[in-house]
Amino acid sequence: DAGVTQSPTHLIKTRGQQVTLRCSPKSGHDTVSWYQQALGQGPQFIFQYYEEEERQRGNFPDRFSGHQFPNYSSELNVNALLLGDSALYLCASSLELLSGETQYFGPGTRLLVL
Amino acid sequence: GNSVTQMEGPVTLSEEAFLTINCTYTATGYPSLFWYVQYPGEGLQLLLKATKADDKGSNKGFEATYRKETTSFHLEKGSVQVSDSAVYFCALSDPIGGGKSTFGDGTTLTVKP
Repeated sequence: DAGVTQSPTHLIKTRGQQVTLRCSPKSGHDTVSWYQQALGQGPQFIFQYYEEEERQRGNFPDRFSGHQFPNYSSELNVNALLLGDSALYLCASSLELLSGETQYFGPGTRLLVL
Repeated sequence: GNSVTQMEGPVTLSEEAFLTINCTYTATGYPSLFWYVQYPGEGLQLLLKATKADDKGSNKGFEATYRKETTSFHLEKGSVQVSDSAVYFCALSDPIGGGKSTFGDGTTLTVKP
C-alpha cells in the first residue's frame, strides 16, 4: 500500500515564476491538506481539499491556489514566486479529516526560489 | 486563534537519559493532540496522539498525556537511544477549525552515545 507521494522532490525557480506541486494521497483517503514548512519552523497550514472543493484555508495569499481531482490527488500552485516562498511543501492525506483523524504526510517537495 | 508552544531546543542528551519535551496549547474548542517526528530529509511521521482529556498516547517508548487543566501535552521517554535523534513537533487538530492542524516550531533532539 503506497503512502502519500509527492512530486517533484526538489525544485529550483526564480522570482516571479509559477510552480505546480503534486500530491497523491494514501489509498482510501479522500482529504488532502497542504502545509508550508520554512527552515527551522513548524508546518503552516495552507489549505485543505475535500470532494474537489477547498474546505479550509490558512493565512496565505491568493498566489497560493490548489485543485483536487476526482481520484483525490491534488496540486498546489504558487504564482509570482517570492524569495520567501522557499520552503518544504508537505502534503497530508486523511479520511474525511476531522479532529482526531490521523493525517499521513508525504516526504515533501523542497522549493528554492532564487 | 489556536497556537502551540514547545520548549525551545536544541536538546542534547546522553544515551539512556530521560527525555521530556514540553508542549502547551491554546485552542477554541476541544482539540486532539499529536506528536510528530521528522528525521533529516524526510516528512513528518505520527508518533502518538490523544483525542480527549486524560488520554495517554504511547508509541515506541514515548508517552504523552492530554492535560486539559494545564493545556499541556508533554512528551516523555524513559531511556533515549541514538536513533531517537530527530526533530519533534507538537500539534493540535481543532474540530471548530475543520480539523486543520496547528504545529509548534519543533524541538531538535540529539542523543549522544
